[in-house]
Amino acid sequence: DIQMTQSPSNLSASVGDRVTITCRARQSIGKYLNWYQHKPGKAPKLLIYGATNLQSGVPSRFSGSGSGTDFTLTISRLQPEDLATYYCQESYSTPYTFGLGTKLEIK
Amino acid sequence: EVQLVESGGGLVQPGGSLRLSCETSGFSFSDRAMTWVRQAPGKGLEWVSIIYSGGSSPIYADSVKGRFTISRDNSKKTVYLQMNSLRAEDTAIYYCAKEGPEYGGNCDSWGQGTLVTVSS
Repeated sequence: DIQMTQSPSNLSASVGDRVTITCRARQSIGKYLNWYQHKPGKAPKLLIYGATNLQSGVPSRFSGSGSGTDFTLTISRLQPEDLATYYCQESYSTPYTFGLGTKLEIK
Repeated sequence: EVQLVESGGGLVQPGGSLRLSCETSGFSFSDRAMTWVRQAPGKGLEWVSIIYSGGSSPIYADSVKGRFTISRDNSKKTVYLQMNSLRAEDTAIYYCAKEGPEYGGNCDSWGQGTLVTVSS
């Protein structure tokens, strides 16, 4: 199984801030890395697939970068509705492991 | 519009069984892999199982291997998760999700989830 390490586990930022979440794979996964947003009581939502591709309907303030073992999710200008937990997931080999999540709070 | 609706959750005693269903609409079901993901109380997302479009060679997480069985009925556009020998640690919200068309393995649409509680 491929272990995914996400950091930080908790993050507090202000509206308008630039926010960065990182995810590291234990082995190279090419660009098979996805990012999800999960709000309490809601279904998770795919934000980024293939490391850099913005899912249809997702605001352009979200972006993804990286390949191999190191990946980043960036929110360029934080909005109040971005309060959520964010997860990375590798889809290089099964089981398609999720990271432990980053809980984002708005100051 | 893509829709996924899970059902079948509930309270079950340890050692018991449940069958979850996920009815879908709005996309070509037979062309897409389907995944089950769960979230235990206070925990993160855990990938559980995937079944590919043809239904052969499903894959399971080690935590459920030998106890859970995923299946699909393409004529009914429905995916199932048969859960046997349930344990307290299987308590979670179970989500079904549809695979996206690119890169594979990602989940581009999700249901709202169904709660499974394993307790005596």
